[in-house]
Amino acid sequence: DVKVTQSSRYLVKRTGEKVFLECVQDMDHENMFWYRQDPGLGLRLIYFSYDVKMKEKGDIPEGYSVSREKKERFSLILESASTNQTSMYLCASSFPPGPREQYFGPGTRLTVT
Amino acid sequence: KQEVTQIPAALSVPEGENLVLNCSFTDSAIYNLQWFRQDPGKGLTSLLLIQSSQREQTSGRLNASLDKSSGRSTLYIAASQPGDSATYLCAVRGTGGGNKLTFGTGTQLKVEL
Repeated sequence: DVKVTQSSRYLVKRTGEKVFLECVQDMDHENMFWYRQDPGLGLRLIYFSYDVKMKEKGDIPEGYSVSREKKERFSLILESASTNQTSMYLCASSFPPGPREQYFGPGTRLTVT
Repeated sequence: KQEVTQIPAALSVPEGENLVLNCSFTDSAIYNLQWFRQDPGKGLTSLLLIQSSQREQTSGRLNASLDKSSGRSTLYIAASQPGDSATYLCAVRGTGGGNKLTFGTGTQLKVEL
């Protein structure tokens, strides 16, 4: 069974803080993704990574950066958290392009006050 | 740019009823389409994945169809149960690089006793 875990289920941070969200998968997947989910807007892709040290911007990368130093771990970084980054953050992983499903973690509910 | 729409946004049905959830997408150049279930405050669970060359996929009481030329997919749930209450999301993967998904905003289903 594929397992994708996220470091925190709930997180409360102050405006201006640096925030790290961690995601780990145990199936040796090359691809990893960070999404945010907001009511009425659905899931939107922030960043994704094809391999270690490789990253590409998704649809809404502004205000975020990522790090992938090891294949199993993909980190999302908010350099200076703002209230409009309050959201549910979901991590996913999959094998390379092909008839492959994306597997999702449980999500991190981040509140920035 | 691919856009995915799900109608209705919310649906309430009595237990035992058969129901259909709709998903439409604007760009028919897709690799596959995936249906997910999301319980409140949780991550996404993949239900069915249909390749662009397929017409339908079945899993238990669930049947998903795909009409790529018209940009439509349906998720049919037979003999609905209260445990089916959740938000159902469809997502399409384009034929471009990577494994990027574009999500609809979901249909929130409530099955009442």
